[in-house]
Amino acid sequence: NAGVTQTPKFRILKIGQSMTLQCTQDMNHNYMYWYRQDPGMGLKLIYYSVGAGITDKGEVPNGYNVSRSTTEDFPLRLELAAPSQTSVYFCASSYPGQETQYFGPGTRLLVL
Amino acid sequence: AQSVTQPDIHITVSEGASLELRCNYSYGATPYLFWYVQSPGQGLQLLLKYFSGDTLVQGIKGFEAEFKRSQSSFNLRKPSVHWSDAAEYFCAVGAPGNTGKLIFGQGTTLQVKP
Repeated sequence: NAGVTQTPKFRILKIGQSMTLQCTQDMNHNYMYWYRQDPGMGLKLIYYSVGAGITDKGEVPNGYNVSRSTTEDFPLRLELAAPSQTSVYFCASSYPGQETQYFGPGTRLLVL
Repeated sequence: AQSVTQPDIHITVSEGASLELRCNYSYGATPYLFWYVQSPGQGLQLLLKYFSGDTLVQGIKGFEAEFKRSQSSFNLRKPSVHWSDAAEYFCAVGAPGNTGKLIFGQGTTLQVKP
């Protein structure tokens, strides 16, 4: 199993550009999550999904959108990039009742 | 509101010395508790978790943690630190049946002196 994979690993965006961060898991996990990590702030939940077609906001959803058309994929969309979205983004997945989240390697995003 | 506090932002210990990383949580019921480790440039890896039962839990890499309900704490310990333990450590709390969502502490960076 590859586990949770994320692409790209690193990206530089200009203010106002858009992009999609990809996340795929091959563990057949129902639950998936997107976090952002900023220095000294820990991880903050952006969006999560409990299954295909079902998504909900986390703690810091503004400026982001998600979709979940399949169990495996959970892309995160930035529509109008802003410098405040400079961060490291992590995708994670888990199985209901097991509660343990498995993390991808992260995507480092720089918005200039 | 639920919260997790890791009071120590940065800790330095000598190789071979013992280690304790502190974690305090605020939650209305007994939560699920986790410790994750993040090596530089990597994702998070689960060290150990507490759901119920024995309050002293063993994890990977020789780590253990003790749940103390009276103190709302879940401190991480290791009797002898290795240079490879240098990393950032995150404590997290989750609620049973709450779609698996976790709240993370701010993290503690561990530096190991030779």
